Amino acid sequence: RKEVEQDPGPFNVPEGATVAFNCTYSNSASQSFFWYRQDCRKEPKLLMSVYSSGNEDGRFTAQLNRASQYISLLIRDSKLSDSATYLCVVNPGGKLIFGQGTELSVKP
Amino acid sequence: ETGVTQSPTHLIKTRGQQVTLRCSSQSGHNTVSWYQQALGQGPQFIFQYYREEENGRGNFPPRFSGLQFPNYSSELNVNALELDDSALYLCASSLPTSGGPSTDTQYFGPGTRLTVL
Repeated sequence: RKEVEQDPGPFNVPEGATVAFNCTYSNSASQSFFWYRQDCRKEPKLLMSVYSSGNEDGRFTAQLNRASQYISLLIRDSKLSDSATYLCVVNPGGKLIFGQGTELSVKP
Repeated sequence: ETGVTQSPTHLIKTRGQQVTLRCSSQSGHNTVSWYQQALGQGPQFIFQYYREEENGRGNFPPRFSGLQFPNYSSELNVNALELDDSALYLCASSLPTSGGPSTDTQYFGPGTRLTVL
C-alpha cells in the first residue's frame, strides 16, 4: 500500500465548477500535511498547509481528518489557471511523502 | 521564485555513466532535501542534508550519494546509471529551526531533467 494515495485523474471540469480532491495516508504518526500544485514540467509549489480545524484560502478549502487519515482539497469557481497537477503531501517526520498527484484540467 | 537554483537544467547520459547534479539553496536555509520524480508519479524522497551531514534517507541504493558544502549548497551523485534513473531531480531547501533541521516548508528548485539512454 502506498503511503499517500490520491484520487486517480484526470479531472476535466468546466470553468466555474467546484472540484474536490481526496487523499488518504497510512502513517498515523504523520505530523503535518500540505497540498502542492505542480504545473507541467515545473517544480511543485506549496498551495496550502492543512490544519485539523480546516482552513481556507480564497477559493481553496483544505480539510484534515486525523481519525480517518484523510485529507481533502476543495476548489470553488475553478479558473482556467487552476489547471495543474495537485499533490497531497504528508510529513511523518524528517521528510515529505508525496502522493502520485491528481491532474486537473479546467476547460472554457 | 523560491531562490533555489539547480544545474544543469537538462542532461542526457548513457547507462553505466556517472552524473553530478547541483543545488544552491535559498539564503539562510541549512537543510537541503533531494527528490526523484519519475514521469506520472509524485516526487520520492532520496535523502536530506543538514549542516553538511546526511539526515535521513529514502529507499534508494547506495549508488545515490550526496554532499552538502559549508555554504549549504548540495550535490547529488548517481553512479552506474540505469534506464530507470531517468527522471526529474528536485532539490528543496528549508528554513532552520532552533531545534534542528526543518522539513515542513520546503522551497523547490526548478529541477534537473535527467535522461538515461
